[in-house]
Amino acid sequence: DIQLTQSPSFLSASVGDRVTITCRASQGISSYLAWYQQKPRKAPKLLIYAASTLQSGVPSRFSGSGSGTEFTLTISSLQPEDFATYYCQQLNSYPVTFGPGTKVDIK
Amino acid sequence: EVQLVESGGGLIQPGGSLRLSCAASGFTVSSNFMSWFRQAPGKGLEWVSLISSGPSTYYADSVKGRFAISRDNSKNTLYLQMNSLRAEDTAVYYCARVKYYYDSSIRRDYFDYWGQGTLVTVSS
Repeated sequence: DIQLTQSPSFLSASVGDRVTITCRASQGISSYLAWYQQKPRKAPKLLIYAASTLQSGVPSRFSGSGSGTEFTLTISSLQPEDFATYYCQQLNSYPVTFGPGTKVDIK
Repeated sequence: EVQLVESGGGLIQPGGSLRLSCAASGFTVSSNFMSWFRQAPGKGLEWVSLISSGPSTYYADSVKGRFAISRDNSKNTLYLQMNSLRAEDTAVYYCARVKYYYDSSIRRDYFDYWGQGTLVTVSS
């Protein structure tokens, strides 16, 4: 199975900050990566797929980049509704796997 | 509007069985690939099973032989039959719609709509 790691695991930030989360894969997965946002006791929400394609309806302050084994999710200006946990997911092969998550908290 | 609503969770003893349901609206389950995931308390997300728009089904090794995914087209509902339940199956279970694209002739799956989840607790 492909293992995903995320860094940092926890991030404290303020409204308006630029935030970057990194996801690393245990082997090359080209651009086959998605990002999800999850708030407490809520379902995950798809943000980005194919490493950099923004899902319809997701604000443009979210962006994704990377290929191979290293990927980033960037929030250009953090908003109050963005405080949540973010997961990456590899689309390369089954079983699809997720990173352990990055919790973004209010500073 | 696309909506997925899970039900059927609860407290069950080890070795018992439970069937989860996922009622869909705003799209047709039979025309889509669908999947189940789970999230143990305080843990990350784990893929459990997938059903194609045809008859094909796929399972994580951890549930293979114990869980069965199916759908009822007349009810537009997805199911997960869970047998021989273990304590480590305790989790919130989510259903999700699969979206995909082809690259290098291989299907690449991601999940665009998720239900709100239903909690399964396996304990004596």
